[in-house]
Amino acid sequence: AQSVTQPDIHITVSEGASLELRCNYSYGATPYLFWYVQSPGQGLQLLLKYFSGDTLVQGIKGFEAEFKRSQSSFNLRKPSVHWSDAAEYFCAVGARSGGGADGLTFGKGTHLIIQP
Amino acid sequence: EAQVTQNPRYLITVTGKKLTVTCSQNMNHEYMSWYRQDPGLGLRQIYYSMNVEVTDKGDVPEGYKVSRKEKRNFPLILESPSPNQTSLYFCASSLDRDGGARNEQFFGPGTRLTVL
Repeated sequence: AQSVTQPDIHITVSEGASLELRCNYSYGATPYLFWYVQSPGQGLQLLLKYFSGDTLVQGIKGFEAEFKRSQSSFNLRKPSVHWSDAAEYFCAVGARSGGGADGLTFGKGTHLIIQP
Repeated sequence: EAQVTQNPRYLITVTGKKLTVTCSQNMNHEYMSWYRQDPGLGLRQIYYSMNVEVTDKGDVPEGYKVSRKEKRNFPLILESPSPNQTSLYFCASSLDRDGGARNEQFFGPGTRLTVL
């Protein structure tokens, strides 16, 4: 079965500074990878996704992520954060797991705090 | 506006009192799913549906039921709620029957359930 690890539960970044959120996955084949953002009191919104091809993917709100097969990673980056980026970020892997769940397996999330 | 709606948004109930959380999407999506979100655990899939009359268990199905009689609706039923089902619930939908693994899922705003 697939799994996703987000090692950082909380990250604090100053406004205007760069950001990198880490995500490691475990899956036996090429995964489908996603980053979602959850603003306070809101549902989840897709930031970007990777299926195949170029390993550097661009998303909405100025975010990008890089798929590194050798490291089983899909880290999310942004060159300059804004106060409105404060939210919970979830990395997810999509895969068919045979007799198990068919859908997304989520990491436990990283809570991003922006300091003025 | 394309969206996934859930009702109610907030619900406080007592142990053993049957309840239903409704989910509806207006995007003609075939795939629908229910997740629960708990602190420190991220999102976990409860049930999913590939199409009308086709449903299957996710990772944490115990204590829940679902039905898919119409394409647009996917209600979550708790026949006898217990306090350990206190959680934030999200419904999601995706374009096609492979959508659980590969396509973007669109999430509803969430239902916060408290079982006393």
